Amino acid sequence: GDSVTQTEGPVTLSEGTSLTVNCSYETKQYPTLFWYVQYPGEGPQLLFKVPKANEKGSNRGFEATYNKEATSFHLQKASVQESDSAVYYCALGGGSNAKLTFGKGTKLSVKS
Amino acid sequence: GGIITQTPKFLIGQEGQKLTLKCQQNFNHDTMYWYRQDSGKGLRLIYYSITENDLQKGDLSEGYDASREKKSSFSLTVTSAQKNEMAVFLCASSYRGLGNTLYFGEGSRLIVV
Repeated sequence: GDSVTQTEGPVTLSEGTSLTVNCSYETKQYPTLFWYVQYPGEGPQLLFKVPKANEKGSNRGFEATYNKEATSFHLQKASVQESDSAVYYCALGGGSNAKLTFGKGTKLSVKS
Repeated sequence: GGIITQTPKFLIGQEGQKLTLKCQQNFNHDTMYWYRQDSGKGLRLIYYSITENDLQKGDLSEGYDASREKKSSFSLTVTSAQKNEMAVFLCASSYRGLGNTLYFGEGSRLIVV
């Protein structure tokens, strides 16, 4: 079946430093790849998604490139803010399958 | 826009009790989902429903029942609550299709005493 593996947390950074959260996936389909973000006390919300290989998605300064050859979708941000503190989930879905498969989540804490 | 409403926000029950969580969405989405969230284990799919009267098991369906009463509502029942089941349960909905985006509710926390 499908699987997603991402950076184990927690990750603690200082404001202004760069972030990379690694995400690797396994699937036999042609998936859409997603990054979701979950703030405390809320449900996960879509950060962005990329339906096609070799394309990049971005939102709020975060970006990730769908690398089909490496089966990776790493999340990056050049300069994190305290407000970016949250849990980040990588997920895959699409094809004929209605469901999404999520990674275990990476908790990010940003200190000022 | 739309909203997903989960009730109750906190559900407290005793071991062995049957407990039910409810979810309503006004997006007019056809597909609805129940995920369980445990710290360090991410989101695991319990049940989903592609359309009204449909029910599909996820990876974690044992010990749970689900019911899609109508297009806008989807319930999850814990058939016999256990202390190791304390977790946050998340309801979500989406349009069915390639690259469907899930929209989540705020979650319901199950506490077993």
